[in-house]
Amino acid sequence: GENVEQHPSTLSVQEGDSAVIKCTYSDSASNYFPWYKQELGKRPQLIIDIRSNVGEKKDQRIAVTLNKTAKHFSLHITETQPEDSAVYFCAAPENYGGSQGNLIFGKGTKLSVKP
Amino acid sequence: GAGVSQTPSNKVTEKGKYVELRCDPISGHTALYWYRQSLGQGPEFLIYFQGTGAADDSGLPNDRFFAVRPEGSVSTLKIQRTERGDSAVYLCASSAHGGRAVEQYFGPGTRLTVT
Repeated sequence: GENVEQHPSTLSVQEGDSAVIKCTYSDSASNYFPWYKQELGKRPQLIIDIRSNVGEKKDQRIAVTLNKTAKHFSLHITETQPEDSAVYFCAAPENYGGSQGNLIFGKGTKLSVKP
Repeated sequence: GAGVSQTPSNKVTEKGKYVELRCDPISGHTALYWYRQSLGQGPEFLIYFQGTGAADDSGLPNDRFFAVRPEGSVSTLKIQRTERGDSAVYLCASSAHGGRAVEQYFGPGTRLTVT
C-alpha cells in the first residue's frame, strides 16, 4: 500500500519568513495530493491540493509543488503570519480496489510562527 | 452550506461499555469515510461507504468496531466492549463521490476517552 513520509516534524519561523514542508510517497500510481491544516482541537481543513497532471499550484500565500519522478511534493507558505501556526498534514490516496480514495496521511508538521 | 457535523463532540465511557458516534456528511455527498486520530499522529483510515454500503472496511482494527449508513447519508460508528486503547479522536469525512482524486472534507471529530 501507499506510504507517506513527512518532514520536518516541527518548524519554527519568524513572522514574514517562508516555510516549506516536504512529503514523499511510495506508490507511483498516486495521482492526488492534498494538504490539511489542523489547529489545536479543530478539524483538519483542506487548504490546497494538487493532481498529478500539474507540477505546481498556487493560492495566494500557499503553493504546492509536485515531482512525480522523485515521488515527492512540498507545501510552501510565504509571508508567514501567526495565524498560520498549526499542524500541517500531507496525504496521498490508497490505490487498491475500486473507487475508494481513502487517504494515507503523513505524521504532521507543527509550524510555529513567531511574531 | 453546512459542513460535516459529528456528535457528540466528547464522549467519556468506562472500559467494556458500548458507544455510538454519529456523522452527518455534507448534503449530497455520496462518499463517507471514518478515520481515527491518535495524539500527535495523522488520521488513520477505518472504513469507507459509497452510498449505503461499506465499500472498504479494511481499516477497522477488530470486530468490536462496526459502522452503518442505512440511508446513504448519516453514518454511525459503533464500538463494543471499549478498551482504553480505543481512546482517540474519531473523524468523519465526506466527498461528493468516491474516487482517488476527490476532495474530502472533515468533521470536527468526536473525542472518545475510555477510562
